[in-house]
Amino acid sequence: DTGVSQNPRHKITKRGQNVTFRCDPISEHNRLYWYRQTLGQGPEFLTYFQNEAQLEKSRLLSDRFSAERPKGSFSTLEIQRTEQGDSAMYLCASSWTSGGAKNEQFFGPGTRLTVL
Amino acid sequence: AQTVTQSQPEMSVQEAETVTLSCTYDTSESDYYLFWYKQPPSRQMILVIRQEAYKQQNATENRFSVNFQKAAKSFSLKISDSQLGDAAMYFCAYRSAFDSNYQLIWGAGTKLIIKP
Repeated sequence: DTGVSQNPRHKITKRGQNVTFRCDPISEHNRLYWYRQTLGQGPEFLTYFQNEAQLEKSRLLSDRFSAERPKGSFSTLEIQRTEQGDSAMYLCASSWTSGGAKNEQFFGPGTRLTVL
Repeated sequence: AQTVTQSQPEMSVQEAETVTLSCTYDTSESDYYLFWYKQPPSRQMILVIRQEAYKQQNATENRFSVNFQKAAKSFSLKISDSQLGDAAMYFCAYRSAFDSNYQLIWGAGTKLIIKP
């Protein structure tokens, strides 16, 4: 399958623990986005990469959050010292940078994080 | 700043009938793109249809069509011949044509229920 994949699909952790999520984008896509989605809401932008460079970060991305995309391929999102408010679905999307609307974002299935 | 509003938290329709989901947006920009995404339960977000603001013709994809009213800043989605597989959350999203980050601004979503 050549779609966007995310692992793990579900993560349950205790408050204060660190967690790391992985996203594997569509191979030819050079952009990778991270979103957070809470129940009944649309996705909220967290950060994005073009190749290996992290070009923008949302104010939602506190110091406890860090994302990397080594070598411009897969990406990891780490949350340190998790809090109950971090419980959400974390979505990854990838796209190509071409002109117009056709550089649509393709989404992965998400990682659902539950912080107890 | 741009905003996207979906005023219908939930809609239901009888199988095989037609339903229209509403979306309004606010922007001062002249060129942008609008999208409808579908998120089935426990499955990933997929693009349903896109509209380029400079195109007057409404986009159509099989049973899905939009009614794009640029002056009114309205972008509704019509689903014809509704099928059980159409049951999902539907999100309207906006993207500025001037934003090199290609960031999507999302509505809160409409839950579509299909009655058999």
